[in-house]
Amino acid sequence: DAGVIQSPRHEVTEMGQEVTLRCKPISGHNSLFWYRQTMMRGLELLIYFNNNVPIDDSGMPEDRFSAKMPNASFSTLKIQPSEPRDSAVYFCASRGTGEGTGELFFGEGSRLTVL
Amino acid sequence: GNSVTQMEGPVTLSEEAFLTINCTYTATGYPSLFWYVQYPGEGLQLLLKATKADDKGSNKGFEATYRKETTSFHLEKGSVQVSDSAVYFCALRAGSARQLTFGSGTQLTVLP
Repeated sequence: DAGVIQSPRHEVTEMGQEVTLRCKPISGHNSLFWYRQTMMRGLELLIYFNNNVPIDDSGMPEDRFSAKMPNASFSTLKIQPSEPRDSAVYFCASRGTGEGTGELFFGEGSRLTVL
Repeated sequence: GNSVTQMEGPVTLSEEAFLTINCTYTATGYPSLFWYVQYPGEGLQLLLKATKADDKGSNKGFEATYRKETTSFHLEKGSVQVSDSAVYFCALRAGSARQLTFGSGTQLTVLP
């Protein structure tokens, strides 16, 4: 299995630009999670989907952030406009229906730097 | 609400030293407990887990026992290696929740 695939691995952009991060979950997994990791705040859950439907987006910091999951094999996290304080590593994770103990499988992350 | 409190790092040990990273939790009901490890430049990987009181999770020489009476899940290893250098996260999944709640992470550096 290819695991959770994220792109890009690294993104450097200027303040005000739009950023789109992409995620392909493990095939057959029905829950998808977006986390943000920073030194100051650690790992924060931004949003998660179940069967492509957003369940809890209370962690999304503000309206500049949006996430979509148009189908079971693809999700995007968009920041528009980006700001320097958005610089972080963004992780996508997925979980299957049979995962009774709740294990999440993480991608390698997208490191975002906003100048 | 649910929360996880981890021992603050960074932790620096010599090779073959004994490791303990403390983790305590607050949760409703009876959560499942996890330790994840993050190697430099990589995503998080499940290290071990325990789903009920007194269960012991173990993997790669690491162990943690689910202690309901002390609401703890401390990570231990008898003899660490340089290759164990990483960030370790304690996490819980409460009841039927789909998401995990993570601690702040503990950076471990093992010196040769």
